[in-house]
Amino acid sequence: AQSVTQPDIHITVSEGASLELRCNYSYGATPYLFWYVQSPGQGLQLLLKYFSGDTLVQGIKGFEAEFKRSQSSFNLRKPSVHWSDAAEYFCAVVGSGNTGKLIFGQGTTLQVKP
Amino acid sequence: DAGVIQSPRHEVTEMGQEVTLRCKPISGHDYLFWYRQTMMRGLELLIYFNNNVPIDDSGMPEDRFSAKMPNASFSTLKIQPSEPRDSAVYFCASSYRGTYGYTFGSGTRLTVV
Repeated sequence: AQSVTQPDIHITVSEGASLELRCNYSYGATPYLFWYVQSPGQGLQLLLKYFSGDTLVQGIKGFEAEFKRSQSSFNLRKPSVHWSDAAEYFCAVVGSGNTGKLIFGQGTTLQVKP
Repeated sequence: DAGVIQSPRHEVTEMGQEVTLRCKPISGHDYLFWYRQTMMRGLELLIYFNNNVPIDDSGMPEDRFSAKMPNASFSTLKIQPSEPRDSAVYFCASSYRGTYGYTFGSGTRLTVV
C-alpha cells in the first residue's frame, strides 16, 4: 500500500537558518508528490508539486524540493527561514492508479526561533 | 476564483444533534474530497467524489456519517447523531482531474459537547 512518512514530528530552527524537512514515500510506480503548508487555524496550501521531469522543483514562498527516486524521498528545503514560515508541513503522494486520492504524511511542525 | 468555500467555519452542537457541513468546490473541478483532521489521527480522507459520484467512502467512520454531492457546485457532509468524538476540523478540497493537487477550503471546526 502507498504510504508517506515524515520522520520529524517537530523541528525548531533559528530565523535565517536553512531548513530541510524530510519525506519518504512508498509507491510502486512513478509518484506524484506534493508539499502542503498549514498555518494555525487555516486550511492547507499547496507549496509545490512534482509530476515528472526536473527532479528539483521550485514552489511558492522560496521553497524547493528534490525528488530522489533511489532514496524514495522528496525533501523540502528553504535556504533562509522567516518567522512567518512557522506552520505545519505535510508531504503527500497520489495513490494507486492516480485516482486523485492524496495520501498524507503525519506532518512536521516547524517552529522558528527569533 | 473564490476558492473552495466551506460553511460554517465553526459549529458547536450538543451530542445527539444532526450536523450538516457544506462545501462549494472551485468551478470546473471534477473531484471533491472530505477530510477530517484531529491531533490524534492527523488528516483522514473520509470520502471523495468524481463528477458528483462517490468513488471511495471507505474512510467514513460509521453509518452516522453521510455525504452527498447533488451537483457539481455543492456537497454536504452530515453527521446524525453527533457524538463528542466527532469533534474535529473537517476540510473540503477540490481538484481538477485528481492529479494536480488539491485546493483546500478553510475548514469547519466542529465541537460536539
